[in-house]
Amino acid sequence: GAGVSQSPSNKVTEKGKDVELRCDPISGHTALYWYRQSLGQGLEFLIYFQGNSAPDKSGLPSDRFSAERTGGSVSTLTIQRTQQEDSAVYLCASTAGGGNQPQHFGDGTRLSIL
Amino acid sequence: EDKVVQSPLSLVVHEGDTVTLNCSYEVTNFRSLLWYKQEKKAPTFLFMLTSSGIEKKSGRLSSILDKKELSSILNITATQTGDSAIYLCAVSLNAGNNRKLIWGLGTSLAVNP
Repeated sequence: GAGVSQSPSNKVTEKGKDVELRCDPISGHTALYWYRQSLGQGLEFLIYFQGNSAPDKSGLPSDRFSAERTGGSVSTLTIQRTQQEDSAVYLCASTAGGGNQPQHFGDGTRLSIL
Repeated sequence: EDKVVQSPLSLVVHEGDTVTLNCSYEVTNFRSLLWYKQEKKAPTFLFMLTSSGIEKKSGRLSSILDKKELSSILNITATQTGDSAIYLCAVSLNAGNNRKLIWGLGTSLAVNP
């Protein structure tokens, strides 16, 4: 596609439910990143994929968070047993692999936990 | 610990003013510094700076890196209301396979008519 596409754009759910957020990167981009942005805060790194593997999962805040990427393209971020502190905007970015390339972002998913 | 600090945190100016936003960093193994503009949704890429002293320019926006001072500035001349946004600075590290960026908290710019 022309840009990074994320869905849903907004998600409201009850505490304790599981949610799945989807990211479709720019076609041909091999590197994919998930970030979380809370109100008034900077971007918090969650996880980085190179192809289908995740060399860096250091930012996942707890074992309730997981992500996968299949076919070197679409990625899903899953949050199990959601808590109110999970409420944030979840941003996905992709970049062409190799070299020093800027990351290009999707519009994010605004997650609200009631 | 790697960190990126932006200043000021927020700024209010009038249309036509010139603004200078600052970004300083303390990181191991610097690779490049990036500037992004974030309006309502996705951060959009502005500049990537790798070498000191080389100004990058796009219209009314320009940026330069000083690796001796570990800092960068983003200048916006003749500001317009459409420049109102959060301006984010990030630093990329040379760290093997890790392409993660270290982000500042941003400068919130409001341009009033």
